[in-house]
Amino acid sequence: QVQLVQSGAEVKKPGASVKVSCKASGYTFSDYYIHWVRQAPGQGLEWMGWVNPNTGGTVYAQKFQGRVTTTRDTSLSIVYMELSGLKFDDTAVYYCTRGASSSCDHWGQGTLVTVSS
Amino acid sequence: DIVMTQTPLSSPVTLGQPASISCRSSQSLVHSDGNTYLSWLQQRPGQPPRLLIYKISNRFSGVPDRFSGSGAGTDFTLKISRVEAEDVGVYYCMQSTQFPRTFGQGTKVEIK
Repeated sequence: QVQLVQSGAEVKKPGASVKVSCKASGYTFSDYYIHWVRQAPGQGLEWMGWVNPNTGGTVYAQKFQGRVTTTRDTSLSIVYMELSGLKFDDTAVYYCTRGASSSCDHWGQGTLVTVSS
Repeated sequence: DIVMTQTPLSSPVTLGQPASISCRSSQSLVHSDGNTYLSWLQQRPGQPPRLLIYKISNRFSGVPDRFSGSGAGTDFTLKISRVEAEDVGVYYCMQSTQFPRTFGQGTKVEIK
């Protein structure tokens, strides 16, 4: 079955970077885009961007341009999302999700990133 | 960016009764390929979101048939025919027609 398993929770200081991983299994990794979506505590969902695991091509929301980088390791079926210049309001649960069914059909369990001094 | 507006933001429902959530987009979600990329997601407490409905009215695999979606253009509706206890959570509409993808604010469904 399709599974997306994310790395564990992180605590970072303002200005630092965080790198979250998302390991895919149960399907052909290169066939489906991976999106990143975040959710601040008690808030709604915010789309950050996507990566084409086949080509490495990316599209990011303008809000995150220059601060987010998504990469992939096709040999391990892992996608990484790195967010730099962390601010307090980057505290959120970060989800990876597979782009399919014209939407996002399978989701990782989420990774809590806490930005705290 | 396309703004997605959901109403109501909170919906207390009696078990076994229907529930309806509306989602309106700030511009048409009809893609140049003719499809309308509007989907509905459910997020149960403490869980990641789960896809329920895609392209307005298509139920995703394993989704009970008490969930249905309808609409066109800029106005869309998610209906639950008879609410069950496991339906408690927050429901989001999402558009995948244009970048960036955007979500509604969420509608909390709770049992009265």
